[in-house]
Amino acid sequence: QQPVQSPQAVILREGEDAVINCSSSKALYSVHWYRQKHGEAPVFLMILLKGGEQKGHEKISASFNEKKQQSSLYLTASQLSYSGTYFCGTDTETSGSRLTFGEGTQLTVNP
Amino acid sequence: DSGVTQTPKHLITATGQRVTLRCSPRSGDLSVYWYQQSLDQGLQFLIQYYNGEERAKGNILERFSAQQFPDLHSELNLSSLELGDSALYFCASSPRRSFYEQYFGPGTRLTVT
Repeated sequence: QQPVQSPQAVILREGEDAVINCSSSKALYSVHWYRQKHGEAPVFLMILLKGGEQKGHEKISASFNEKKQQSSLYLTASQLSYSGTYFCGTDTETSGSRLTFGEGTQLTVNP
Repeated sequence: DSGVTQTPKHLITATGQRVTLRCSPRSGDLSVYWYQQSLDQGLQFLIQYYNGEERAKGNILERFSAQQFPDLHSELNLSSLELGDSALYFCASSPRRSFYEQYFGPGTRLTVT
């Protein structure tokens, strides 16, 4: 089942912070975050695994609440380059491969 | 540039036809994933191959098939094409079987007329 992302869209001014949420009705084993700019391929940001392990970029932070089946992506001191659509992909099994992606959150950072 | 290549970049074909999309993973990556991205369905996982063997299957139609060859490149075959198959098809590669970042190729835009 597709995870639900919120908000659907957000507009920021450079330097502002944003939080993007991803929630599932099923128990999650891992959450993967990607950013896609218009006309380009998705780019990896972060993986959060059940048990607390995280893999990702230093400037991006995220949390994974296993009990609530929720993940949040924190974008601080936003830059113009942060603009794009953010997708969370969830894995409800132990395969770590069969990801179901949310509909995306469109983030726009203005000068 | 992720290091993943996909050909062709654009493909326009008629309903009922068959096409083959090709993907070359990053050097050394053993896993290849295929995704379909359409406006109304978002990014959908189709199938994963690891070192030549099918490892995970998603919402892949029976009309679609894929394989990974000994040199690790992969092909996605789409047959009996319908208008609804028009989408962007991405290939991604990863050095491991799972729980690792995926590197996406530029995609193949398929238009079925």
